[in-house]
Amino acid sequence: SQTIHQWPATLVQPVGSPLSLECTVEGTSNPNLYWYRQAAGRGLQLLFYSVGIGQISSEVPQNLSASRPQDRQFILSSKKLLLSDSGFYLCAWSGGHEQYFGPGTRLTVT
Amino acid sequence: GENVEQHPSTLSVQEGDSAVIKCTYSDSASNYFPWYKQELGKRPQLIIDIRSNVGEKKDQRIAVTLNKTAKHFSLHITETQPEDSAVYFCASDSNYQLIWGAGTKLIIKP
Repeated sequence: SQTIHQWPATLVQPVGSPLSLECTVEGTSNPNLYWYRQAAGRGLQLLFYSVGIGQISSEVPQNLSASRPQDRQFILSSKKLLLSDSGFYLCAWSGGHEQYFGPGTRLTVT
Repeated sequence: GENVEQHPSTLSVQEGDSAVIKCTYSDSASNYFPWYKQELGKRPQLIIDIRSNVGEKKDQRIAVTLNKTAKHFSLHITETQPEDSAVYFCASDSNYQLIWGAGTKLIIKP
């Protein structure tokens, strides 16, 4: 069966510091991968998606970037965090239409 | 761009009563319509989905209906229980993505 991992689970970072969040998927090959952000009490904002290694589509222009160095690895990065980057970051994978979410990383920028 | 409208934003029902959440989508090419449940602090979980060649689908106390002509789909929960309290999201597919509704907070009153 397929499993999706995200780490870290929680993170507190100062404004202006860098960020790296990692997501890995097990039990499937060539998945579509997604990064979402969810502000407190709000909906799901798609940040990036990838249909293959090195293929990244950005949905929202901002200070974040994503990379897919391996088939089942998706990384979200920032060089300098903003206060507005605080939120719940969710990685998801899809083998068809259904999307399955990882446990998420709760990021607080102080 | 494509969008999905979801109503109501908050729904409060008595335990044991039924709850209905409605969504309208804009992309006439959409063929897949999932519903996700997100409990507080947790990841969204797929609870039921429907494809465009089906008008209704049931799974125990939950059901989804689809009207492709009107571009409407709805989630029905019967005999609501305290564990149904959560935020529910609808979505429709568009290319490699899901377009998400804004969410409905369902409150079950004892």
